[in-house]
Amino acid sequence: EPEVTQTPSHQVTQMGQEVILRCVPISNHLYFYWYRQILGQKVEFLVSFYNNEISEKSEIFDDQFSVERPDGSNFTLKIRSTKLEDSAMYFCASMPGETNEKLFFGSGTQLSVL
Amino acid sequence: QKEVEQDPGPLSVPEGAIVSLNCTYSNSAFQYFMWYRQYSRKGPELLMYTYSSGNKEDGRFTAQVDKSSKYISLFIRDSQPSDSATYLCAPGTGGFKTIFGAGTRLFVKA
Repeated sequence: EPEVTQTPSHQVTQMGQEVILRCVPISNHLYFYWYRQILGQKVEFLVSFYNNEISEKSEIFDDQFSVERPDGSNFTLKIRSTKLEDSAMYFCASMPGETNEKLFFGSGTQLSVL
Repeated sequence: QKEVEQDPGPLSVPEGAIVSLNCTYSNSAFQYFMWYRQYSRKGPELLMYTYSSGNKEDGRFTAQVDKSSKYISLFIRDSQPSDSATYLCAPGTGGFKTIFGAGTRLFVKA
């Protein structure tokens, strides 16, 4: 069964460093998302991406965040200058060709900022 | 008022019990109603999907939507220890942003 894959599974970085989280969505999906979940808290929407541009973003997704689909398969989230409060599990998700809201999630990247 | 509200639990039941999980929402524009299941340290997994009001059944799971009272329910029959997880409700408008409730933690004791 096709699945969303995320790498790395764990990322440790120093405060102020840049990190890139990588995702390979399901191949025929058209909508791509990043969510995050701080330990013990709810799953929070960050950004959605369609047709090579951001469709919607939350207040969390400020100027230090960016997303990119550099080729036909990868979808990346870059955090330019990490802060301690960026420590969280980051989930990538994708959705098929209509906005029926059936999201397929990856297993996540646990980001720890020291 | 929060857009989506769930009782965080935890809810602890014996194996074989019927479980009722509930969620309320405030946005009357929601048309799609999803329940996701999340195991510890894993991504959410779509469990049930309903469009507009009514009931939907899938095996031991039944999803119920009452748009007039903005109330969503998930029932689990014959609960199993493998059902122990956090259950997230996620109503949506069919747009580009799915909002999740905080989730209800369920423990099914063998």
